Amino acid sequence: QSALTQPASVSGSPGQSITISCTGTSSDVGSYNLVSWYQQHPGKAPKVMIYEVSKRPSGVSIRFSGSKSGNTASLTISGLQAEDEADYYCCSYAGSSTVLFGGGTKLTVL
Amino acid sequence: EVQLVESGGGLVQPGGSLRLSCAASGFTFSSYSMNWVRQAPGKGLEWVSYISRSNTIYYADSVKGRFTISRDNAKNSLSLQMNSLRDEDTAVYYCARAQESYYKVNYFDYWGQGTLVTVSS
Repeated sequence: QSALTQPASVSGSPGQSITISCTGTSSDVGSYNLVSWYQQHPGKAPKVMIYEVSKRPSGVSIRFSGSKSGNTASLTISGLQAEDEADYYCCSYAGSSTVLFGGGTKLTVL
Repeated sequence: EVQLVESGGGLVQPGGSLRLSCAASGFTFSSYSMNWVRQAPGKGLEWVSYISRSNTIYYADSVKGRFTISRDNAKNSLSLQMNSLRDEDTAVYYCARAQESYYKVNYFDYWGQGTLVTVSS
């Protein structure tokens, strides 16, 4: 049960777009379209931003989008805003009702 | 409004035990699988355990044999009994409701505020 691989940090200026990658294996990300992404502000609980690779829950901005190719999923945030600064975690179903998270990516809005 | 409220965290010595609880409200508790997810200080999220609507249970390898998850649908309550605690179990523990797709965990749609467990001598 190794964690999914994410870059430790990404940054962008307001209005720009950024993409966070999430690399797993053929046993998790590559096998299931059950990848989700969570946003976590300091001291707060995580909040789901994307599920089933590319679906947005009600209330989540259309600036957030997701995709997947092979064993790698991606989260793209367009039109960066100051409030997007947070930690982001990917998550994938990994079989037998187990779940793997990525190590997390700290997004800095410059 | 869906609410999940954890309790039971605190300071415990290595080798000790602690029982966490999660009180659920605002939804039909028995209709959802539930999970525990933890986060060590300054670290990322780690899935800990899953319990289905019908009490099928799974654990992360890191806690297997030491932690026991359970639920009481009559009391809308989720629990995590933690034994043989180690320094590396120090973390904020969240309970999280899961949405499932064909009996597979899809995503976690509601989270509690977390309860801090500190394992230290």
